[in-house]
Amino acid sequence: EPEVTQTPSHQVTQMGQEVILRCVPISNHLYFYWYRQILGQKVEFLVSFYNNEISEKSEIFDDQFSVERPDGSNFTLKIRSTKLEDSAMYFCASSGEGMGSPLHFGNGTRLTVT
Amino acid sequence: GDSVTQMEGPVTLSEEAFLTINCTYTATGYPSLFWYVQYPGEGLQLLLKATKADDKGSNKGFEATYRKETTSFHLEKGSVQVSDSAVYFCALSDRTKGNTPLVFGKGTRLSVIA
Repeated sequence: EPEVTQTPSHQVTQMGQEVILRCVPISNHLYFYWYRQILGQKVEFLVSFYNNEISEKSEIFDDQFSVERPDGSNFTLKIRSTKLEDSAMYFCASSGEGMGSPLHFGNGTRLTVT
Repeated sequence: GDSVTQMEGPVTLSEEAFLTINCTYTATGYPSLFWYVQYPGEGLQLLLKATKADDKGSNKGFEATYRKETTSFHLEKGSVQVSDSAVYFCALSDRTKGNTPLVFGKGTRLSVIA
């Protein structure tokens, strides 16, 4: 069964550094998402992406975040200047079109900001 | 806005016990409802879904019925196994508003002991 893949599985970075989290969504999916889960807390929506542009974003997704689909397969999340509170598990997801299409999630990237 | 409330965990059960994890939702539209499961060290996997009132989603012995009158989508399993130990997330997506992102509950950790 096709799956969403994310790399790296774990990223450690120093405060103020830029990080890029990478995702390869399922190939025939059209909607792409980033979510995050701070340890012990709920899964929070960051951003959705469709037709090469952001379709929706949450309050968390401020100017330090950006997303890109640089080619036909990758979908990246960039954090420009990381803060300690950005430490979390970041999940990429994709879905097809149509009512009730479920999201398929990757295994996540654990980001640790020191 | 839309929200999901699920019972606090952790829930600890003996093998073969009956499981119920309560989930209620608030939505202004007509959402699709989902249960996702997160096994240790893995990402979120769709467990089951229901897209309209009185639909029953089922998978791997788990089931949940979409109850519009009580705005609930409780997860049940008749006989749990050790391998069911995971975190379970109830979620909704109001597709009447377009392809809106999932809204998750806080998750309920289930531990099944032999």
